[in-house]
Amino acid sequence: DAGVIQSPRHEVTEMGQEVTLRCKPISGHNSLFWYRQTMMRGLELLIYFNNNVPIDDSGMPEDRFSAKMPNASFSTLKIQPSEPRDSAVYFCASSEGGIRLYEQYFGPGTRLTVT
Amino acid sequence: KQEVTQIPAALSVPEGENLVLNCSFTDSAIYNLQWFRQDPGKGLTSLLLIQSSQREQTSGRLNASLDKSSGRSTLYIAASQPGDSATYLCAVSYNQGGKLIFGQGTELSVKP
Repeated sequence: DAGVIQSPRHEVTEMGQEVTLRCKPISGHNSLFWYRQTMMRGLELLIYFNNNVPIDDSGMPEDRFSAKMPNASFSTLKIQPSEPRDSAVYFCASSEGGIRLYEQYFGPGTRLTVT
Repeated sequence: KQEVTQIPAALSVPEGENLVLNCSFTDSAIYNLQWFRQDPGKGLTSLLLIQSSQREQTSGRLNASLDKSSGRSTLYIAASQPGDSATYLCAVSYNQGGKLIFGQGTELSVKP
């Protein structure tokens, strides 16, 4: 399997612009997670989906952030408008139950810089 | 509040040493615990997953133990190598298929 795929790998944008991050989970996985990593706060969950339905979005910072999962093989995280404090590495992860025991597998991340 | 703490924050050892990384969690009612490795500028690689009913898991030179009642886990690395240099992260989940709560990590440096 190709693993979790994220795009773009790097994004540099100016404050106020819209940013869209994309994720393709591992085929067959039914849970998808978006995490953000910063030096100050470490790794934190933003939102996660189970069977394409958002389950916990308590980590989404504010209304500028939104996430969708239109089907089992694709999810987006959108920031509009972006701000310098959104600069971070955004990771997507996926998991499944059964013999996989809900072990989470992470993508390579998108490094976002907002100037 | 559910929190995960890792000690030490950084560790430097000579090649060949056996070492232990520590992880503690405030709420012992975990569903499972995962240890990850993160290389600089890279994503997370899952090393070991321990279910709440298990005491330990082993993979090659790595052994992770879990003491749920005391809220602790350790990652034991045998015969360390320079290639083991990375940040090691501990994370717990409290629900089946739920989110992970991460510690801040231990940055390991193994000197040749």
